[in-house]
Amino acid sequence: AQSVAQPEDQVNVAEGNPLTVKCTYSVSGNPYLFWYVQYPNRGLQFLLKYITGDNLVKGSYGFEAEFNKSQTSFHLKKPSALVSDSALYFCAVRPQSYGNNRLAFGKGNQVVVIP
Amino acid sequence: DTGVSQDPRHKITKRGQNVTFRCDPISEHNRLYWYRQTLGQGPEFLTYFQNEAQLEKSRLLSDRFSAERPKGSFSTLEIQRTEQGDSAMYLCASSVAEMNTEAFFGQGTRLTVV
Repeated sequence: AQSVAQPEDQVNVAEGNPLTVKCTYSVSGNPYLFWYVQYPNRGLQFLLKYITGDNLVKGSYGFEAEFNKSQTSFHLKKPSALVSDSALYFCAVRPQSYGNNRLAFGKGNQVVVIP
Repeated sequence: DTGVSQDPRHKITKRGQNVTFRCDPISEHNRLYWYRQTLGQGPEFLTYFQNEAQLEKSRLLSDRFSAERPKGSFSTLEIQRTEQGDSAMYLCASSVAEMNTEAFFGQGTRLTVV
């Protein structure tokens, strides 16, 4: 069964500094990888995904993520954090195999961007 | 708004009562998912429909839970004889049929069992 680890409960970063949110995964075969963001009292919003090809994926709001197969990681990054980036971030994985459609999510990382 | 819609947004119920939640997916999406999210955790998969067919069910979906999507459009999730442990956010998501596509989530229904 697929699983995701997001090792840090909270990530604090000063506004304007680089932001990194870590994610490692476990899956049989090749993965589809996703990042979602959740604001208070809101549903999950899709940020970006890795399917195949280029290991660096660019997404919404200036976010990007790098797929590293050897380290089974998919860390989310943003070069310059904004206060409005403060939210809960979830990494998710699904195998690239027909018939398995369930996303496995990590427990989430609370990002706090300090003005 | 053409996103995923869930109703109600909040539900407070007494232990032992039955509750039903509704999800309206994005209109052209034929896949529909239900997830449950508890405080401090990521969403956990409950069940999945392709059109009207329920194709996957998690072991989390006990006999007290039932989901339907009778015409392949909206879906309902019913919990019978609610327990305090059922208190959670219930999230619905939808997607198109291609394997590599992302799911779009609704705002969720927050259930509190007292």
